[in-house]
Amino acid sequence: EIVLTQSPGTLSLSPGERATLSCRASQSVSSSSLAWYQQKPGQAPRLLIYGASSRATGIPDRFSGSGSGTDFTLTISRLEPEDFAVYYCQRYGTSQATFGQGTKLEI
Amino acid sequence: EVQLLESGGGLVQPGGSLRLSCAASGFTFSSYAMSWVRQAPGKGLEWVSAISGSAGTTYYADSVKGRFTISRDNSKNTLFLQMNSLRAEDTAVYYCAKDPNSNGWYYGLLDYWGQGTLVTVSS
Repeated sequence: EIVLTQSPGTLSLSPGERATLSCRASQSVSSSSLAWYQQKPGQAPRLLIYGASSRATGIPDRFSGSGSGTDFTLTISRLEPEDFAVYYCQRYGTSQATFGQGTKLEI
Repeated sequence: EVQLLESGGGLVQPGGSLRLSCAASGFTFSSYAMSWVRQAPGKGLEWVSAISGSAGTTYYADSVKGRFTISRDNSKNTLFLQMNSLRAEDTAVYYCAKDPNSNGWYYGLLDYWGQGTLVTVSS
């Protein structure tokens, strides 16, 4: 079973700054099978990135994804107040999808 | 507009059963695989189960295999999760979510989510 480990657990930044979130897999993951989600308190998750680097419909271009193999990154170029949330990476395309434990992005 | 509305959550005793439903609208339900994902209070996301568009193939997390059964009624645009032998660790908000591929195959990528229904397992 491939385990996804996200770091840091909590990231404290200010609006306007750049955020870099990491997702590391215990074994190599196909780039076409790595996604990122955003979850705000009391809300359902929202798909941000799929295929490691493709933005989902309606996602602003300040969000970008990159990486391959075992190391993947979600970058938010200039933080807006509404970006402070929890972010999860996910491996899909297998019989059992798996999520990382999440990174909380706080002001 | 895609809408997913879960129902059926509540308080149940350990060892009990509960059936969750997810009413879907705004898309051709039978063309898309669907999943259940849960989130324990204050914790992260855990994928639970999935079903292909035709209902011909089902998938389960090891933590629920043999206790939970996923099904769907494409004539009523509704997804179900039958949960038996419930344990305290099954306490969570349960979300239903849609796969984006219209071929009906399960990929596990989730482009639309419902707002969730809370299941509490406690005596």
